[in-house]
Amino acid sequence: DQQVKQNSPSLSVQEGRISILNCDYTNSMFDYFLWYKKYPAEGPTFLISISSIKDKNEDGRFTVFLNKSAKHLSLHIVPSQPGDSAVYFCAASAVGTYKYIFGTGTRLKVLA
Amino acid sequence: GAVVSQHPSWVICKSGTSVKIECRSLDFQATTMFWYRQFPKQSLMLMATSNEGSKATYEQGVEKDKFLINHASLTLSTLTVTSAHPEDSSFYICSAGGQGSSYEQYFGPGTRLTVT
Repeated sequence: DQQVKQNSPSLSVQEGRISILNCDYTNSMFDYFLWYKKYPAEGPTFLISISSIKDKNEDGRFTVFLNKSAKHLSLHIVPSQPGDSAVYFCAASAVGTYKYIFGTGTRLKVLA
Repeated sequence: GAVVSQHPSWVICKSGTSVKIECRSLDFQATTMFWYRQFPKQSLMLMATSNEGSKATYEQGVEKDKFLINHASLTLSTLTVTSAHPEDSSFYICSAGGQGSSYEQYFGPGTRLTVT
C-alpha cells in the first residue's frame, strides 16, 4: 500500500521554464511534508518543507503547494536550471512522529 | 545544515560474512536515526528507527536479527548486515533527525553494499 505516490516517474523541462512535480498521499494523519533532491549514489538533500497548517511555502526558486482536501502537494521550480536535473522525492510524516514515508520519486531532466 | 556521514561509502563482501555500516551526525546530537534501503529506481524504504540508548523499532518485513542496529550515542548509529547474501546488495542510507523542534531529517551520503 503506497501511502505517498509520485505518479510521474520522469519529467523533462526546458531551461528557464517552470518544473512542476506532483505528489499525492492517502493518509489523512500526515501533517508534515518534505521534498528531497537526490543524485545517483548519493544521499537525499533536503529542499523544502511544508506543514499542514500552511498551503504554500517558498524558498528562492522552490515553492511547495499543499492542497489538504485533495491530499496533494506539488513542487514548483522557477526558473529551472540544468543543475536541477536529479530525482525528486516527496516524503510525509504523521502527527507526532519523525518517521517519513517516501514517494517513488520523479526524475527531472532540465534541458539546456 | 546539519551534516551526517556514513562509513564506508562502498563495500564488497562475500556471502555469509557480516558488514557494519556507521552513521554519524557530525555537528548535532541526533536523538533519532533512521535507516533506509533503496533498490535501483525505487523509493527509499524505511527499515528501522533507532533511538539513543534503546532498542530499534523495525518496520514490518525487516528481519531484526539480520539487520542489527545499535544507537550507542547521540552521534553514532550502526547497521550490521549479518550473514549477508547477494539479495542484501543495495544502497543503504541513514538519516538523523529530531533536532530541537525541527522535523527535518538530514541524510548521510549512503553506503553501496555488494554481496558476492
